[in-house]
Amino acid sequence: GAVVSQHPSRVICKSGTSVKIECRSLDFQATTMFWYRQFPKQSLMLMATSNEGSKATYEQGVEKDKFLINHASLTLSTLTVTSAHPEDSSFYICSASRQGYNYGYTFGSGTRLTVV
Amino acid sequence: DQQVKQNSPSLSVQEGRISILNCDYTNSMFDYFLWYKKYPAEGPTFLISISSIKDKNEDGRFTVFLNKSAKHLSLHIVPSQPGDSAVYFCAASARAGGGNKLTFGTGTQLKVEL
Repeated sequence: GAVVSQHPSRVICKSGTSVKIECRSLDFQATTMFWYRQFPKQSLMLMATSNEGSKATYEQGVEKDKFLINHASLTLSTLTVTSAHPEDSSFYICSASRQGYNYGYTFGSGTRLTVV
Repeated sequence: DQQVKQNSPSLSVQEGRISILNCDYTNSMFDYFLWYKKYPAEGPTFLISISSIKDKNEDGRFTVFLNKSAKHLSLHIVPSQPGDSAVYFCAASARAGGGNKLTFGTGTQLKVEL
């Protein structure tokens, strides 16, 4: 089955530093990857959609200069939270899309980011 | 603007009984619907999906019903088991097959009690 690996699972960083989160599709090529953010007891909110080799499309209200997304290959997308602040603390989840499959969305296990 | 809503934040059911989780949507362009199960600090796991051309899809203990005219779908789990305790999200997409973004509901915490 389709597997998406997301690392790290948990990260604590200081305010002002940058954090990179990786999302890899292990056994399929992901033409599209999605990045979500989930606050406690809330829904998964889509942050951006990234297509391999092109710029990411950000949802309204998401700062593209703060949340840098790179999708350099068909198996890897990265989300970098730049100049992190405590309000960026959240659970970030990636999802990889597999064209041609009815349930084409496979999720990573998520990254718990805590900014202190 | 919450286009996908799950009005019950929590549901408690006895083991062996039926669990019914509900979901409503407002966007008539949605044509594919999915249910996910999620544990804390983990990514969602796909359960079952349904296309708008169908009104029912069944997979083992899980059945999803779609009422397009009411813009309502529901997930039935029978019999419910303690391992089903988790948060359940419904999600909708404007096109099946991946490649299009999902809009998630707010989730329902299901607790299956012994």
